[in-house]
Amino acid sequence: TQLLEQSPQFLSIQEGENLTVYCNSSSVFSSLQWYRQEPGEGPVLLVTVVTGGEVKKLKRLTFQFGDARKDSSLHITAAQPGDTGLYLCAGRRYNTDKLIFGTGTRLQVFP
Amino acid sequence: GAGVSQTPSNKVTEKGKYVELRCDPISGHTALYWYRQSLGQGPEFLIYFQGTGAADDSGLPNDRFFAVRPEGSVSTLKIQRTERGDSAVYLCASSSQGGIQYFGAGTRLSVL
Repeated sequence: TQLLEQSPQFLSIQEGENLTVYCNSSSVFSSLQWYRQEPGEGPVLLVTVVTGGEVKKLKRLTFQFGDARKDSSLHITAAQPGDTGLYLCAGRRYNTDKLIFGTGTRLQVFP
Repeated sequence: GAGVSQTPSNKVTEKGKYVELRCDPISGHTALYWYRQSLGQGPEFLIYFQGTGAADDSGLPNDRFFAVRPEGSVSTLKIQRTERGDSAVYLCASSSQGGIQYFGAGTRLSVL
């Protein structure tokens, strides 16, 4: 059972477009992380959000943690081909260090 | 090395065989995690170690799977009587206690 559902599952866009990826759950998390994974490699951490309602920006990427700590979003402005990859959200419950990963969003940005 | 190292990078085996997958964590990291990622899916938690002991093994799918970390550094994931459904990428991560998890590139296991 996947506790974190991501949408959309696939996204194929042109360079310069904006996009938003959603990560939703009925469970509460102490923190939520976003990773990007490229073929043949492990996930690489992009950001961690820990406070309900928190917004973090990383260049053209904006991450938000929901007020109730159950959901998150990733917004990319002016996507570039280098943004292509599998985007994964992952939640950490209280009193545990294990991560619960989302179902993943595969993004393809065409030049 | 500077990162998490997993060997082998690819493993092809026959149904019913025994396999061992190795993980070398980042030096000094006390926590080590194993995840399994099926094609097109997000990773699923298997087990994690704090030092030499398994702090949580609730993700191991059945008793054919077990993992050890005898000296608190290198870990081995062992799968007995492999089945075709075990085919996946097995990812290892390490962290300082409560810290960021750094992932290796994974071992792609194919059971024929």
